[in-house]
Amino acid sequence: DIVMTQSPDSLAVSLGERATINCKSSQSVLYSSTNKNFLAWYQVKAGQPPKLLIYWASTRQSGVPDRFSGSGSGTDFTLTISSLQAEDVALYYCQQYNTSPFTFGPGTKVDIK
Amino acid sequence: EVQLVESGGGLVQPGGSLRLSCAASGFSFSSHWMHWVRQVPGKGLVWLSRINPDDSITSYADSVKGRFTISRDNAKNTLYLQMNNLRVDDTAIYYCTRGFWGASDIWGQGTIVTVSS
Repeated sequence: DIVMTQSPDSLAVSLGERATINCKSSQSVLYSSTNKNFLAWYQVKAGQPPKLLIYWASTRQSGVPDRFSGSGSGTDFTLTISSLQAEDVALYYCQQYNTSPFTFGPGTKVDIK
Repeated sequence: EVQLVESGGGLVQPGGSLRLSCAASGFSFSSHWMHWVRQVPGKGLVWLSRINPDDSITSYADSVKGRFTISRDNAKNTLYLQMNNLRVDDTAIYYCTRGFWGASDIWGQGTIVTVSS
């Protein structure tokens, strides 16, 4: 199975500042024939189901604010919130969907400093 | 409105069984891969299983392989998860999701499964 790790476990950022979350996979999730990274990011707020933010490592889902961006390739990925808003307080998870089982990272908690 | 509604959760004793259902509406259910994912409150997300549109391909996480069975009825726009030999550590919120290139773009509100004696 592909093991996903995330860092940090949690971070606190001032409103309007940048938040950066890292995700690493134990194997590459780049599908060479399409040159796409099978990596997604989700946001989970308390009491709500997860929300897809980013797929193909860097494609923003419809309706997601452009302060959220994804980058990276192969085994190393980053989710960036360019200007943290109060409503961004949540847990964030990466998931690889290149190889079954489609494993999630352990999550990163984002809070306001 | 695109919607997934799970049902069938509840309290069950260790070793017992439950069948979860997920009613889909607002989209062409028979055209999409579907998944089950669970979350233990305060802990992370765990992908469990997936099924292809015509019910000919399924796959499972090792933790549920041989105990859980995913299935679907495209005529009823419904996804199922048959859970047998339940264990205390299966206690979680269970979500059904719509597959989106392998990721999950639509999530239900979840159904709670509690395994306890």
